[in-house]
Amino acid sequence: DTGVSQDPRHKITKRGQNVTFRCDPISEHNRLYWYRQTLGQGPEFLTYFQNEAQLEKSRLLSDRFSAERPKGSFSTLEIQRTEQGDSAMYLCASSSLDSSMIETQYFGPGTRLLVL
Amino acid sequence: DQQVKQNSPSLSVQEGRISILNCDYTNSMFDYFLWYKKYPAEGPTFLISISSIKDKNEDGRFTVFLNKSAKHLSLHIVPSQPGDSAVYFCAASDDQAGTALIFGKGTTLSVSS
Repeated sequence: DTGVSQDPRHKITKRGQNVTFRCDPISEHNRLYWYRQTLGQGPEFLTYFQNEAQLEKSRLLSDRFSAERPKGSFSTLEIQRTEQGDSAMYLCASSSLDSSMIETQYFGPGTRLLVL
Repeated sequence: DQQVKQNSPSLSVQEGRISILNCDYTNSMFDYFLWYKKYPAEGPTFLISISSIKDKNEDGRFTVFLNKSAKHLSLHIVPSQPGDSAVYFCAASDDQAGTALIFGKGTTLSVSS
């Protein structure tokens, strides 16, 4: 069973550096979501794609953040000029509609980012 | 302002007893609710969901109850097992066909044997 996978699982970087994370969704899922989770909080929505189209972006997604899903399969999330406040768990989820037109999002293991 | 609230940060229960986790929401547009379980260093795992047209949904040991007038839902786990020890997140959306989920802060459940 191939669930949602994310790479890397952990990333330590210095302030000001750029980082890129990858998410591979469940193969038949056409929707892909990015969330961020900080300590003591629930996941917070960042952005989502339907196929290759980015349909919604949260106000949390500053101009230093960019996400792509070029062929409607895997997605990348890039953070430019990282800041210490970017330290968090970055979660990817994928979904599709079931026969009742209800969506359930399935999450990957996350990428934990630490900005020094 | 938090739209989904889990007011109990933690809950301790003995093995075999019932665990009840609570969640309140403020946005009356929410029409689909989900519960996720999260172990340390893993992503959230989907447990169970409920649409606003229902007041109860059951799946094995897990039952979710929805009280729309009170804007309140609860997750019942019966019987509780030590492997249920994890952080439980309540989430809501205003479109069951797909949109961003709004999460609560989570409740840490500890089940002792």
